[in-house]
Amino acid sequence: QKEVEQDPGPLSVPEGAIVSLNCTYSNSAFQYFMWYRQYSRKGPELLMYTYSSGNKEDGRFTAQVDKSSKYISLFIRDSQPSDSATYLCAMTSGGYQKVTFGTGTKLQVIP
Amino acid sequence: GAVVSQHPSWVICKSGTSVKIECRSLDFQATTMFWYRQFPKQSLMLMATSNEGSKATYEQGVEKDKFLINHASLTLSTLTVTSAHPEDSSFYICSAGQTSGSGGEQFFGPGTRLTVL
Repeated sequence: QKEVEQDPGPLSVPEGAIVSLNCTYSNSAFQYFMWYRQYSRKGPELLMYTYSSGNKEDGRFTAQVDKSSKYISLFIRDSQPSDSATYLCAMTSGGYQKVTFGTGTKLQVIP
Repeated sequence: GAVVSQHPSWVICKSGTSVKIECRSLDFQATTMFWYRQFPKQSLMLMATSNEGSKATYEQGVEKDKFLINHASLTLSTLTVTSAHPEDSSFYICSAGQTSGSGGEQFFGPGTRLTVL
C-alpha cells in the first residue's frame, strides 16, 4: 500500500463547477498537509498549507484535513479554465522531514 | 511568497557529459533544499535532502556518485549529473524550506528539463 493515495483522474468539469480533490494516507505521523498545483512542464506551486485537522480557506480554495480518517480534500469553487492543471497533495511529519507526494490528479475545466 | 529559481530551465547534452543545475532561494534563507525528479505523468520522486554546510542525504536507489549535490550557502544548492546517459533524461525540480516558521512547507523552483542524447 502506498503511503499516499490519490486518484490520478483525469477529472473534467464544466466552468463554474465545484471541484473536489482528495487524498488518503496511511502514516499517522503526518501532521502538515499541502496542496500543490502544477501546470504542464512547470514546477509545483504551493496552493494551500494546513497543520493538523480542520479547514482552511483561501479565496476559491478550501482545504480540509480529517486526521481521524486520514483523509484530506481540496475544494475549488467557481472553477475556471485557468484552474486546469495537475493537483498534487503532499504531507510530512514536520520540520524538514521528507515530504511524501500523491501521484497527482489532472483537472480539466471546460469553458 | 518565497521565490525559488533554477538554472538552466532546460538543457540538452551528449551522453557521457556532466550537467550542473543550480537552485537558488531568492528572498529567504533555506537551511534545507530538496532535489526531486519527475518522469512524464508521474509524481515527484525525492532524490536527496541537502542541508547547508553538510553532506546530502540520498534516498534509497539514488546513486550519490552520479548525482552530486552541494549546498554551499543558505541560498544556493547545486545538482551535478555526472556522466549523463539517456535514462537520466527527466524533469529535475528543487525545493527549499524556510529557516523560520515550522512544518514542512516547501517552495519549488520552476524545474530543469534535461535531455541526454
